Amino acid sequence: SYVLTQPPSVSVSPGQTATITCSGDKLGDRFASWFQQRPGQSPILVIYEDRRRPSGIPERFSGANSGNTATLTISGTQAMDEADYYCQAWDSSTEDVLFGGGTKLTVL
Amino acid sequence: QVKLVQSGPEVKKPGTSVKVSCKASGYTFPNYGVTWVRQAPGQGLEWMGWISPYNDKTNYAQKVQARVTLTTDTSTSTAYMELTSLTSDDTALYYCARFRAAPGTGMVIDYWGQGTLVTVSS
Repeated sequence: SYVLTQPPSVSVSPGQTATITCSGDKLGDRFASWFQQRPGQSPILVIYEDRRRPSGIPERFSGANSGNTATLTISGTQAMDEADYYCQAWDSSTEDVLFGGGTKLTVL
Repeated sequence: QVKLVQSGPEVKKPGTSVKVSCKASGYTFPNYGVTWVRQAPGQGLEWMGWISPYNDKTNYAQKVQARVTLTTDTSTSTAYMELTSLTSDDTALYYCARFRAAPGTGMVIDYWGQGTLVTVSS
């Protein structure tokens, strides 16, 4: 079965750039989304179709997807960005939804 | 605005069933799918299945396929998730979420409910 792999944790200093990766076989051939989940809250869509930002998501969030890796980049990271981040893709052959294991972003 | 409001917390005995509801508002219900995702305490997101209210087409994750049933009631814009033969491993926060899908763009999950805590304990 198809697996999406994320690093368990990423740390970044305030104001710096955070990069979170999501790896899967030929992931670049699929569209990737990213969700932010703060403690005790429901997930929020921050990137869809690899690089599109929903209305209301700050410009400091950006995405890319090529080869085997999708990347979520947070520029000028703020304390409020500290959260768990999940990548998600769609398996068009099985019509299954796929989630990565999640990455805990710590801003310190 | 789009809202998905889920039913309240449930405490169930092992071997029983649970049915969680998800009432949608702020959009045309049949035009978007509903997917269900659960999150065990301290764990990641686990996809369970999806349903299209337009034609009742469903797709279930292999892990729960034998025990889960997704349905919708378009007259009340409500989606339901029923899970049977509960065990302690089913203790989790259960989310419904809206999605749209189109050829060439895949599936985009854009709005989530607030979650329903299901606790399975003897």
